[in-house]
Amino acid sequence: DTEVTQTPKHLVMGMTNKKSLKCEQHMGHRAMYWYKQKAKKPPELMFVYSYEKLSINESVPSRFSPECPNSSLLNLHLHALQPEDSALYLCASSQWEANYGYTFGSGTRLTVV
Amino acid sequence: AQTVTQSQPEMSVQEAETVTLSCTYDTSENNYYLFWYKQPPSRQMILVIRQEAYKQQNATENRFSVNFQKAAKSFSLKISDSQLGDTAMYFCAFAGGTSYGKLTFGQGTILTVHP
Repeated sequence: DTEVTQTPKHLVMGMTNKKSLKCEQHMGHRAMYWYKQKAKKPPELMFVYSYEKLSINESVPSRFSPECPNSSLLNLHLHALQPEDSALYLCASSQWEANYGYTFGSGTRLTVV
Repeated sequence: AQTVTQSQPEMSVQEAETVTLSCTYDTSENNYYLFWYKQPPSRQMILVIRQEAYKQQNATENRFSVNFQKAAKSFSLKISDSQLGDTAMYFCAFAGGTSYGKLTFGQGTILTVHP
């Protein structure tokens, strides 16, 4: 299995809703990442988990809450989002460091209304 | 901090021709890695090619090859025999040194292959 699987593919949520994005990989990668991407822009790093511990938080607002239940799963919990949070959310994984390159999922297209 | 610059926001090429995408970077690190990623309209980011800075030999993957000039901090991507499926946004990216765990991306180049 050489894939990173993200669910759901599309999500529409209201500003008062609580939702979660899920990411799963079975490649034995020990680092997992959340990125946010606006249209025609590069991905922006949000969080890095290394060996199931949060190692980097790029000053992301607390309405985004990451969770890594085990080495194969990564969640992103969403609460009280703003319309400007609408974007493509990409999950990625890599061997213990990024130098081998990431494997990306196909993303969740999030729309906040 | 590392920076990656792609100076060509958009490019186009005819099918079967060759095109080169430019990328320059700035770093004080000596040991690092460079990548080209492709993001087609389907939005999946796909690793195209990877170069280790300590290797002088340019990386190649089928129709894709790089021209890595370490002294000039340049890392261009050449696509030979362009195909319609090569239409995508291409990102140059950097990893290494104190940027452990992070990929630094350039702004991207939108490539359109015309029939």
